[in-house]
Amino acid sequence: DVKVTQSSRYLVKRTGEKVFLECVQDMDHENMFWYRQDPGLGLRLIYFSYDVKMKEKGDIPEGYSVSREKKERFSLILESASTNQTSMYLCASSLSGVRYEQYFGPGTRLTVT
Amino acid sequence: DQQVKQNSPSLSVQEGRISILNCDYTNSMFDYFLWYKKYPAEGPTFLISISSIKDKNEDGRFTVFLNKSAKHLSLHIVPSQPGDSAVYFCAASAFIDYKLSFGAGTTVTVRA
Repeated sequence: DVKVTQSSRYLVKRTGEKVFLECVQDMDHENMFWYRQDPGLGLRLIYFSYDVKMKEKGDIPEGYSVSREKKERFSLILESASTNQTSMYLCASSLSGVRYEQYFGPGTRLTVT
Repeated sequence: DQQVKQNSPSLSVQEGRISILNCDYTNSMFDYFLWYKKYPAEGPTFLISISSIKDKNEDGRFTVFLNKSAKHLSLHIVPSQPGDSAVYFCAASAFIDYKLSFGAGTTVTVRA
């Protein structure tokens, strides 16, 4: 079974703090993704990576950056957290190729106060 | 601008009856479609998919129908069971694109 784990289930941070969200997958998947889920908007892609050290912007990359130093780990960074980044953050991974389904982690509920 | 739309935010159905979830898309480049199911406090899990070369795909109680001319797909769950109560997301991708575009989700409640 594919396992995607996220470092925290719940996180509370203050405005202006630097925030790191970590994601690890154990199935040797090439692709990894970061989404945020908001009511009425569904899942929106922030960034994705198709290989180590490779990254591409998704639909809403503003205010975020990512790091992928190892194949199994993909980090999402909020350089200076703001209240509008309060959301559920979901990490996913998939095999290389465009027709493989994505496997999701349990999510991190981030609250920025 | 959302390219995948699920216009019904919620659906309530009696146990044993059919659940029909609808999804519309605007991008004519989309050629692969998926449904994901999400329980509270868990990540979405893949449910079923369909390629644009088909108009129907069935997996047990779940059937997805694709109408390319209308840019519309639907998910049928027959019969509905209490464990089907969850949020269902429709997603789509275009060939040579790793990205999935998701709809806003439909919350299904199956009443006993």
